Formats: sequence, structure tokens, C-alpha cells
Amino acid sequence: DAKTTQPNSMESNEEEPVHLPCNHSTISGTDYIHWYRQLPSQGPEYVIHGLTSNVNNRMASLAIAEDRKSSTLILHRATLRDAAVYYCIRGSSTGGTSYGKLTFGQGTILTVHP
Amino acid sequence: DAGVIQSPRHEVTEMGQEVTLRCKPISGHDYLFWYRQTMMRGLELLIYFNNNVPIDDSGMPEDRFSAKMPNASFSTLKIQPSEPRDSAVYFCASSPGHGLLQETQYFGPGTRLLVL
Repeated sequence: DAKTTQPNSMESNEEEPVHLPCNHSTISGTDYIHWYRQLPSQGPEYVIHGLTSNVNNRMASLAIAEDRKSSTLILHRATLRDAAVYYCIRGSSTGGTSYGKLTFGQGTILTVHP
Repeated sequence: DAGVIQSPRHEVTEMGQEVTLRCKPISGHDYLFWYRQTMMRGLELLIYFNNNVPIDDSGMPEDRFSAKMPNASFSTLKIQPSEPRDSAVYFCASSPGHGLLQETQYFGPGTRLLVL
């Protein structure tokens, strides 16, 4: 049970922004939102994560809704190398046996057109 | 840093044979994870360790699968006997367990296993 909902696929044109949505309506107050992506024939790689505030790094931005029931990963200018499967994951930071566990769903397949 | 190292990268074996997959986590990371990825089931967590101790093995499919972490720099995932349905890509990942990116997982390149 991934506990997040993402569209199966999205398409974008190169050089344009991409907004990848994720719903996590049952999120608890201590759950972080993590985004990973998996390029073809590679292992997943970390993109960004956040708790309540919007976050930016060199790869992307993460916009988290005020009620935390949804979030959006923003790629400001898509390139062909951004074509990948993008996973939105709830991560528990409450310790115990759930600490550090990431449950991957099916993700969103992003296609970038030249 | 070389990142997470996995070996072999590809493995082809016959049904009934023993298969051993190896992983070297990033130095200083406290957590190590084993995942399996197939088209049908996606990416599944099999087991994870904290400071070399198995914490949660609820994802291990059956007794044919076993994992060990004898020290902080090495882990193995063993399948004995192997079956065709074990064919998949197996990923190892590690995470720091401390600091700002404490839960961030760093994945290896994976081992592609084909059981004939």
C-alpha cells in the first residue's frame, strides 16, 4: 500500500516546465514527502523531499499544499534526460520498524518530447 | 565516493541453483535495503538492516530467500534454490540514518537476475 496516488503518465516538451502531481490524503503530521526518479535501466535516485514548506534544490522544486494532502514536483525546464518514472512516497520519521522504509507505488512515467 | 556497489551486474542461472547477490553500501551509512523490481509487482522492499541488524524482513517472499550483513561494509542476498519466478532486478540501497538527509536512500545499479 503506497498510500499515494499519481497519474500513470505525463508528457512534456523539452525546455518547458513540468508539474507532477501527487495525492496523499491520509498523510500523518510526521510523514515526509519524498520524490525519487528512475531513469531507464538504472536504480532510483533521490530528487527532493519536504515536510510542510516548499522546497527547492538544484534538481527540482517541491510544492506542498497547506493541508498536506497533496504535493507537486516541479521541473522548471524539462530536458530529454528528465524522461523517467517519478515516484512520490510517504516516508515515516516516527522511528520503530517503519523508520527509513519507503513504499514505492507505480509512479508517473514522464515522456519528454524534443 | 563510489556510491553503492552491487555485484554481479548480471546473473544467468538455472532453476535449482544457488544465487548470491552482493552489496557494498556507502561508507558511514547506517541503513541498508534490499529491493526487487519486476514489471508485474514494481519495486518491492525485501528486507532492511540498521547497523548490521535486520529490522524488517516482512517483504522476503519465502524461506528460499535469506539476507545477511556480517559487517557495515558488506551484505548478501541469497536465493536457494532459485526458481524462474525469481527473475527480476535486485537493488541494494543505503541511507545515512542521521543528518539532514537521514532517510534519503542511495541506490546501486542493480543486479539483473535471470533464472532459466
